[in-house]
Parts: sequence; C-alpha cells; structure tokens
Amino acid sequence: NAGVTQTPKFRILKIGQSMTLQCAQDMNHNYMYWYRQDPGMGLKLIYYSVGAGITDKGEVPNGYNVSRSTTEDFPLRLELAAPSQTSVYFCASSDRGSGNTIYFGEGSWLTVV
Amino acid sequence: QQPVQSPQAVILREGEDAVINCSSSKALYSVHWYRQKHGEAPVFLMILLKGGEQKGHEKISASFNEKKQQSSLYLTASQLSYSGTYFCGSGVQGAQKLVFGQGTRLTINP
Repeated sequence: NAGVTQTPKFRILKIGQSMTLQCAQDMNHNYMYWYRQDPGMGLKLIYYSVGAGITDKGEVPNGYNVSRSTTEDFPLRLELAAPSQTSVYFCASSDRGSGNTIYFGEGSWLTVV
Repeated sequence: QQPVQSPQAVILREGEDAVINCSSSKALYSVHWYRQKHGEAPVFLMILLKGGEQKGHEKISASFNEKKQQSSLYLTASQLSYSGTYFCGSGVQGAQKLVFGQGTRLTINP
C-alpha cells in the first residue's frame, strides 16, 4: 500500500540553488496537488493537476513550477531557492478532486539557508 | 477564498466537548475535515458533500450548512488522542481543488 510517495523527506538547500521534489501515486488518481505548510500555519495550495498534461496555479505559485507527463508523477520544481521557501511540502492525490478523499504523502521538509 | 476557522485554539480537559467552525465567502462544493499531529501529514476525518449533510465518526461528527456556507466539527467526550490541529478544506471551482483554513489547535489535558 504505497499510496502517495514523496522524495526526498529532508533537504537543505543554499540560496539560489534549484531542486525538484518528487511525488508519485499508485492509485491511478487523476487529481494531484502540491501544498506547502509553514511552521504553525495552514496548508497553502501551490499547484494542482486534473490529469496528465494539465496543470494550474493554486494560491501561492510564485517561485515554483510543475509538470504532469504521466498520471502517476507530479514533480515540483523550485528555481532559485529563497529562505521564504523554507517549509514542509505535501503532495496529495484524489480520484475526484475535492469530491472525494484527498490522500496526502508524508511530506518533504525543505530548509533554504 | 480560503475558509476561516474559529476558534484558533482550544484547551480542554479529557471528557469535555468541543466545536470547531469553518465558514467560506464562496459557494462550497464540499467540506473536508482533517486532523494533523505535530510533524505528521494531515489525516482524513470526513467529507460532506451536500448541504444539510451530517456525518459521524465515533465521537467526532460534522454538519454542513450549504446556505450559510458553513460547517462545524463536533468532538464529544474528548480523548487525549484527539489532540492536534484540525483543518477544514473547502472544495471550490467545480470541485477541482481544495483550499484549507488556517487550522484550529486542540489541546486535551488529562
């Protein structure tokens, strides 16, 4: 029962570096999401996808890019990392968007120094 | 667009009841409730899809008032395991995406 798998779990980046957070799901879900959660705060939607080849911006997309070439994978790219991007990143998926349960990955802790 | 939760924090003794409210300025397609423990991912509690719908999960239940664009989460006879931060999520934009409230931190003391 893999569900939603995120890698890496922890990462430290230097200012200006770039990296990709990987997300894969094995439930054949069309809908996938990336959220970020700052310490003590709620979840903010970064990007989402309703199917392979289709992505759209969420509440806080600046500084990030996504792609969805397959149903299973939804990587999140951070370009020119900034300290403000220090956060916990959660990937999630659903078979019917907000019309059904949204399953979360375990999270990726990112620190930019 | 983000739903608003109240209260922001609640401290209870074991066995007491709590109510957490969630309201939105936009029409809601659905309401989700999640609980998150420190350092962990959010865990799904329940989803309400229709106005007037009520659901229960052991001693945790929720209601959805579509006309008022509000939902409430009820925790009855709280247990220590109920501690955590509770988030409501509102389904918007043709049910494609889910946006979350700022969370309500619930602390249960013995």
